[in-house]
Amino acid sequence: GDSVTQMEGPVTLSEEAFLTINCTYTATGYPSLFWYVQYPGEGLQLLLKATKADDKGSNKGFEATYRKETTSFHLEKGSVQVSDSAVYFCALSDRDAGGTSYGKLTFGQGTILTVHP
Amino acid sequence: GAGVSQSPRYKVAKRGQDVALRCDPISGHVSLFWYQQALGQGPEFLTYFQNEAQLDKSGLPSDRFFAERPEGSVSTLKIQRTQQEDSAVYLCASSHAGIPVLDTIYFGEGSWLTVV
Repeated sequence: GDSVTQMEGPVTLSEEAFLTINCTYTATGYPSLFWYVQYPGEGLQLLLKATKADDKGSNKGFEATYRKETTSFHLEKGSVQVSDSAVYFCALSDRDAGGTSYGKLTFGQGTILTVHP
Repeated sequence: GAGVSQSPRYKVAKRGQDVALRCDPISGHVSLFWYQQALGQGPEFLTYFQNEAQLDKSGLPSDRFFAERPEGSVSTLKIQRTQQEDSAVYLCASSHAGIPVLDTIYFGEGSWLTVV
């Protein structure tokens, strides 16, 4: 079955540091890949996505590249801010050979990021 | 409404009690999902509706869990004879498209259930 593995946290960084959160996946079909973020007291929000190999998703300074050869989708940001403190979830939505999917998501366990001033 | 709305936000239930959790999706959204998120874990899929049709209920953990969406808008997740292992956050999500593989899925803030 499908699965997503994220690097274990929590991750603690100083402001302006470089961020990497590793994510690898296992899927039977042709998955789309996502990063979701959950800020304190808020619901899950889509941060970025990539739908095919070598696609790069980007948003708010965050980037992730869909690497089919390494089955990875690592999240990066060059300079984090205190406001980036949140829980980050990697997720996939699998598709069959015909490209059909109704969008069911398989999530990783989440990585807590804390950024200090 | 402006977003996916869930109620109650917090529920404490005695073991053996029945609970009902409500989800109001974004108006006009065709697809609706329920997820269960245990403490410190990622959300896990429970069930999926396309309008009023429940197309996938493979994630429901037992026959004590039941979900419905009778008019294709509001959905209710019902848990009968709650057990301590049911303690979790229950997330509802909706999407405009009937096949939302490329469409944005919007999540509610969740209903926190604690079974004592």
